[in-house]
Amino acid sequence: QKEVEQNSGPLSVPEGAIASLNCTYSDRGSQSFFWYRQYSGKSPELIMSIYSNGDKEDGRFTAQLNKASQYVSLLIRDSQPSDSATYLCAVRALSSASKIIFGSGTRLSIRP
Amino acid sequence: NAGVTQTPKFQVLKTGQSMTLQCAQDMNHNSMYWYRQDPGMGLRLIYYSASEGTTDKGEVPNGYNVSRLNKREFSLRLESAAPSQTSVYFCASSEEEEDSWTGLYGYTFGSGTRLTVV
Repeated sequence: QKEVEQNSGPLSVPEGAIASLNCTYSDRGSQSFFWYRQYSGKSPELIMSIYSNGDKEDGRFTAQLNKASQYVSLLIRDSQPSDSATYLCAVRALSSASKIIFGSGTRLSIRP
Repeated sequence: NAGVTQTPKFQVLKTGQSMTLQCAQDMNHNSMYWYRQDPGMGLRLIYYSASEGTTDKGEVPNGYNVSRLNKREFSLRLESAAPSQTSVYFCASSEEEEDSWTGLYGYTFGSGTRLTVV
């Protein structure tokens, strides 16, 4: 079992709709959770971080964390073509010797 | 503000050749990291440096060496390149100090080096 799992996609969402990206993790000691956006041929860019159970909103982005279910998600409201990218979920446990562990990413495509 | 700068951006090596990938950050960050990214594998940590003068192995360190030259610079060396090292390499830095990590900050990535070993 991978430590951080994501559906590779592609996830196709119509413009203006809500895109929902999901991630599960295996280490119950995980403390910090991050979402990175990576455009094709570019480097990952941090867009959201969350540390407590519940929701965290930043503009059109909402991160949701459920530590009991070991589940973290990212919602993108009013999806735009510019949101088309690969979204990487990343997780860090205090005890982790491997630092931040990344999922392999979900490719999101917003269709006009 | 340049952030994290990596050189070169592209490189083709023959099997057995050596090379050094350079990384420098101007954000006064304490921790620096080298990752490789392969299709379907995500980002995997090669080595990291918690502070100037210290380095530690990550998930996939075999075939690589690193040097934390000063607080700004962290280089990755391939002594004898192999086709399995064909990948995109990313350097990253964090304001966090690994030894007193709080989890409040993520990483800032460089633009990457696309390496092909033939």
